[in-house]
Amino acid sequence: DADVTQTPRNRITKTGKRIMLECSQTKGHDRMYWYRQDPGLGLRLIYYSFDVKDINKGEISDGYSVSRQAQAKFSLSLESAIPNQTALYFCATSDPGLAGPRDNEQFFGPGTRLTVL
Amino acid sequence: AQSVTQLGSHVSVSEGALVLLRCNYSSSVPPYLFWYVQYPNQGLQLLLKYTSAATLVKGINGFEAEFKKSETSFHLTKPSAHMSDAAEYFCAVSGSGYSTLTFGKGTMLLVSP
Repeated sequence: DADVTQTPRNRITKTGKRIMLECSQTKGHDRMYWYRQDPGLGLRLIYYSFDVKDINKGEISDGYSVSRQAQAKFSLSLESAIPNQTALYFCATSDPGLAGPRDNEQFFGPGTRLTVL
Repeated sequence: AQSVTQLGSHVSVSEGALVLLRCNYSSSVPPYLFWYVQYPNQGLQLLLKYTSAATLVKGINGFEAEFKKSETSFHLTKPSAHMSDAAEYFCAVSGSGYSTLTFGKGTMLLVSP
């Protein structure tokens, strides 16, 4: 079944450590996104990519970097983790060709819960 | 710029009662609007979307929403709540280039027996 998967699902790390969160998809979508979710703040966009050569900053990109290794893979890195990066992280994909260029329906992975001590 | 306001971080209803979750948006272009649901320990799942066709949109699990341009609203309703509807609900609007989504802060729906 076509899907969006994220690894790891849970991670506890210490301040200053480098962390990579991975996202893979079998949907064949070109567009991929990284969000973080904090209680009471909803979802905020970190980075997004429309193809392997295209990377765009979102609303809250400071402290994060991304890599689009292939159409199906989009990784999020925290170069030096800090406690206020403790959050739930979601990867999502979309394909505007399905229903027209304005229909940005996004499909979400199950999330990665990251705790930075 | 686009923005979404969801009124009420928590809404409580009794099983069988009407569910009404409010969403107001701001957009500099004709909006595309979405409602997503998040069950505990899961990702977000699309409930329904408005893409400039019919203003009354029907979604999964008996939910529907009505796009009202004059009120810049896209409220989510369900005639009769079920215990399984307890979840967090997010309203979202497409960005100016229709390439990103801006989400509201979410409304937690609590359903009591």
